[in-house]
Amino acid sequence: AAGVIQSPRHLIKEKRETATLKCYPIPRHDTVYWYQQGPGQDPQFLISFYEKMQSDKGSIPDRFSAQQFSDYHSELNMSSLELGDSALYFCASRTSATYNEQFFGPGTRLTVL
Amino acid sequence: LAKTTQPISMDSYEGQEVNITCSHNNIATNDYITWYQQFPSQGPRFIIQGYKTKVTNEVASLFIPADRKSSTLSLPRVSLSDTAVYYCLVGDNRGSTLGRLYFGRGTQLTVWP
Repeated sequence: AAGVIQSPRHLIKEKRETATLKCYPIPRHDTVYWYQQGPGQDPQFLISFYEKMQSDKGSIPDRFSAQQFSDYHSELNMSSLELGDSALYFCASRTSATYNEQFFGPGTRLTVL
Repeated sequence: LAKTTQPISMDSYEGQEVNITCSHNNIATNDYITWYQQFPSQGPRFIIQGYKTKVTNEVASLFIPADRKSSTLSLPRVSLSDTAVYYCLVGDNRGSTLGRLYFGRGTQLTVWP
């Protein structure tokens, strides 16, 4: 079965640089979520999109932005990177017709040096 | 939002049954109880969801007492590959365009040979 695809899987950036993370949801899933998981921490919700419109916003820094495109893939743009942005970034997708089940991608590990 | 409380860690041996209890005293009438499993450096994976009484699937069972203030995830005959963090989540996102997941402190289950 098709799963959520994230790219790149690993990314190394310097402080103050910019990073773009991509997410390709499961086909026919209409909702995409982004989560951040710092070292030894639990996943924290960042932002979500439903049918290409931002539907919910969590603890996402102003330096971060995201969007969902017409083909439903989503991108998380991170600027002025800080050391504390080093984390695993997960994308998840689901269809709003189901209950709480979200399907998570493998994640992108961002390291800021 | 209902707060959940779980043990920080649990140990077990291969072949044993493991029961992880989650406390959610402030659960709302419409809330469902959902459990996710997460392996190191991987995205969380949906295990099971329930509203009341007992739910069973091919992976686990979920026991929910009548007052719904707690729930117990039961993993039969665990193996080494069940070593992971288990999260208990409470919320009502059915058919919602929102549906962010709130991950509290999960339970680190370690299975020993």
